[in-house]
Formats: sequence, structure tokens, C-alpha cells
Amino acid sequence: AQTVTQSQPEMSVQEAETVTLSCTYDTSESDYYLFWYKQPPSRQMILVIRQEAYKQQNATENRFSVNFQKAAKSFSLKISDSQLGDAAMYFCAYRVNSGYALNFGKGTSLLVTP
Amino acid sequence: NAGVMQNPRHLVRRRGQEARLRCSPMKGHSHVYWYRQLPEEGLKFMVYLQKENIIDESGMPKERFSAEFPKEGPSILRIQQVVRGDSAAYFCASSQTSGSWEQYFGPGTRLTVT
Repeated sequence: AQTVTQSQPEMSVQEAETVTLSCTYDTSESDYYLFWYKQPPSRQMILVIRQEAYKQQNATENRFSVNFQKAAKSFSLKISDSQLGDAAMYFCAYRVNSGYALNFGKGTSLLVTP
Repeated sequence: NAGVMQNPRHLVRRRGQEARLRCSPMKGHSHVYWYRQLPEEGLKFMVYLQKENIIDESGMPKERFSAEFPKEGPSILRIQQVVRGDSAAYFCASSQTSGSWEQYFGPGTRLTVT
């Protein structure tokens, strides 16, 4: 069974600063995808960034980047130049390439202070 | 292009009643996934459907829950004889193919059982 662990229930960052959210996962598969989803108070799930396990290069989307350590099964999300609109729950998720079900962690609540 | 539509957004049911949750996938998408989010938890996969077929219902509770995706019309998640423990947010996602890396999520239906 695949499990996704987010060890930080809550994180806080000041506006314009950088914050890193942690995620580890457990799998015996070699071909999979990893995702970070954002869930603002509206509860809409928004895809922030994805990483294919076969790619060594870390994914980047504007202010969002990941640190993917395949051997350590670690997939952290770095948010640079934090903005008030970044405040939300952030979920790490995993999906095996041959499958379809997303496995989510319990989430990290990010607070952004002015 | 309209996104994934779910209705109702909020649903209140008394114990023992039936709950029907509807999901209209994105245009051109024929694969639908249902997830449940219990309070303080991440999303959990429930069922995967294609038009007129249930592909995988391994995450569905064995009793009282059923899902369908007819040839015409939205996908329906039905919960019979609801209990307080069914209170949760139910999310629907859709994709163009089963191998698509991205699942597009709807805004969710928050079910409250009183």
C-alpha cells in the first residue's frame, strides 16, 4: 500500500518570505507521479505542481518549486515570495503511473501573515 | 470550457435519509473519480467510473454506497440510510483518459447528517 505523510499540520510564513512544506511517501513502485494540491477556504482543489518520478530535474512553476529526492522518498514544496493568497491547505499526493487513484496526505495548513 | 460541476454544494440530510450527489465532468472527459474528505483528513479515493461502467470501487464502503455514470447525464454518488459518520466533503474529479496525469476536481459537495 502506498502512504503519503505530511508531518507538519500547520506552517506560518510572512509575506514575501519563503516556506517549505514537507512530504514523504512510501511505495515499492518505480514509475509514479507526485503532486501538490492547494485547497483554499472555497475547498476547490487546485493543482499546484507535479513531478514525474523518472525525471531527475525538480519541477518549477513560477514561485513554486519542489525538491524531489527519490531515494529518500521525499517531495517537499517550496513557495518563494509568499503572498496572502497562498494561504490554504496544501496536500501532497501520489499516483502510480499505471493506476489512477490519487493517494493524499493529511495536509498542511499554511498561514501567511502580513 | 466549463470545469467539473458538482451539485448541490451543500446537502443536509437526517439520519436514515438518502443522499444523492451529482457530478458533471469537464466537456470531453469520460472518466470520473469520486473522493471523500473527512474532517481534518486528506481525500480518499472511493470509486472510478467510465460511461456506463464501474471500473474500480475498492474505496467504497461495502454497504449503503453506490455510484453510477450513465450514458447520458451526470455521475451520481448515492448514499442510502445516511449516518452521522457519512458527514464529509465529497469531491468528483474527471480526466480525458485513464492515463491522464491530471484529474480536474469539482468544488465538492459538503454533506451534513443531522
